[in-house]
Amino acid sequence: AQSVTQLDSQVPVFEEAPVELRCNYSSSVSVYLFWYVQYPNQGLQLLLKYLSGSTLVKGINGFEAEFNKSQTSFHLRKPSVHISDTAEYFCAVSNAGGTSYGKLTFGQGTILTVHP
Amino acid sequence: DTEVTQTPKHLVMGMTNKKSLKCEQHMGHRAMYWYKQKAKKPPELMFVYSYEKLSINESVPSRFSPECPNSSLLNLHLHALQPEDSALYLCASSQDPGQGPGSPLHFGNGTRLTVT
Repeated sequence: AQSVTQLDSQVPVFEEAPVELRCNYSSSVSVYLFWYVQYPNQGLQLLLKYLSGSTLVKGINGFEAEFNKSQTSFHLRKPSVHISDTAEYFCAVSNAGGTSYGKLTFGQGTILTVHP
Repeated sequence: DTEVTQTPKHLVMGMTNKKSLKCEQHMGHRAMYWYKQKAKKPPELMFVYSYEKLSINESVPSRFSPECPNSSLLNLHLHALQPEDSALYLCASSQDPGQGPGSPLHFGNGTRLTVT
């Protein structure tokens, strides 16, 4: 079984400040890791993914995340946020193979609010 | 703009009604998904179709009946729903797992369902 824990349910920041959204996972098998963003009244959009290789992954809209296997973490960061980054962010994990391939387990979400 | 189109955007139905949610994608993806998202919660997987065959049913009540008539279309038939079924229903698609690792999900904007 897998689980994902997003350590902060809400993160308020000021515009142009840096931000880190924290995600920890638990799994007995190798996993793939994803960050999705959900704007109000919309579906989810992929920000970035980690499959293998370099532990620092760059995504869209200036976001990046670092995979840390020893700490089972996949924290999302952005050096300077914009008002338009206000949204809910979901960390997700899937098995790297097997019959459950493609099935995502989501964290509870972190609401990022960027203030002017 | 999303590449996964869901209709209708909003639906209000009584507990004795029969209705259907529709989803369409033209990205050549061979895996399609239904997720249910309650307010302030992450999406929960309901069904997965791979090559038009149902591959995962997450113990969903029979009042929800999925259908995949072809590789581009996915329907969710609703009958005798309960008020607690009110939620955002998200459709997603991905490349079939056999075609590559870690295929991300592409989500539609969802159908917001209210059961009265």
